[in-house]
Amino acid sequence: GAGVSQTPSNKVTEKGKYVELRCDPISGHTALYWYRQSLGQGPEFLIYFQGTGAADDSGLPNDRFFAVRPEGSVSTLKIQRTERGDSAVYLCASSVSGTREETQYFGPGTRLLVL
Amino acid sequence: AQSVTQLGSHVSVSEGALVLLRCNYSSSVPPYLFWYVQYPNQGLQLLLKYTSAATLVKGINGFEAEFKKSETSFHLTKPSAHMSDAAEYFCAVIKRGTYKYIFGTGTRLKVLA
Repeated sequence: GAGVSQTPSNKVTEKGKYVELRCDPISGHTALYWYRQSLGQGPEFLIYFQGTGAADDSGLPNDRFFAVRPEGSVSTLKIQRTERGDSAVYLCASSVSGTREETQYFGPGTRLLVL
Repeated sequence: AQSVTQLGSHVSVSEGALVLLRCNYSSSVPPYLFWYVQYPNQGLQLLLKYTSAATLVKGINGFEAEFKKSETSFHLTKPSAHMSDAAEYFCAVIKRGTYKYIFGTGTRLKVLA
């Protein structure tokens, strides 16, 4: 079966613009995670969905960042009024049901560059 | 609070030599620990994980790691490096009471011919 997919693979935008990043998890996975990976760093947690609801959004850096998962499958990470510091690779992962010992399966990421 | 420290941001080994990538964790309770590998322009792929079962964990591609509570370590090893092992490796711990990974800063492995 297909793995986690993310679109677009690359996104270049100008400071102040709005962007949407999409994640298609593995079919049947109820848990979905977003991480952000800055250059030279490990991924940092942003938000975790269990089904349609955000179970933990403690990693979102500020209110410019928002994510939805309206039907419990595809998720969209939305960034308003982008800043140069938002430039990073945004990773999405999914797991079967969200237990702690479960493997999280990662997508290839969306590389965001804010000019 | 849980955290992981990876010693050595870059490691070089000769093809056929032992690979040793270091990871130390900080946790007040037995943690869940993971090693992921990231190839260029690809997503993170799980190599192996420790979830309180056997302390020596075998993973894919010949990698293994040993959980040592006394040393708070979870070092990744492979007896004989292959050129295809060149990648970035991340150690991660699950934060207690949550489902989110806390990753180390990564170690880039270079394999020399």
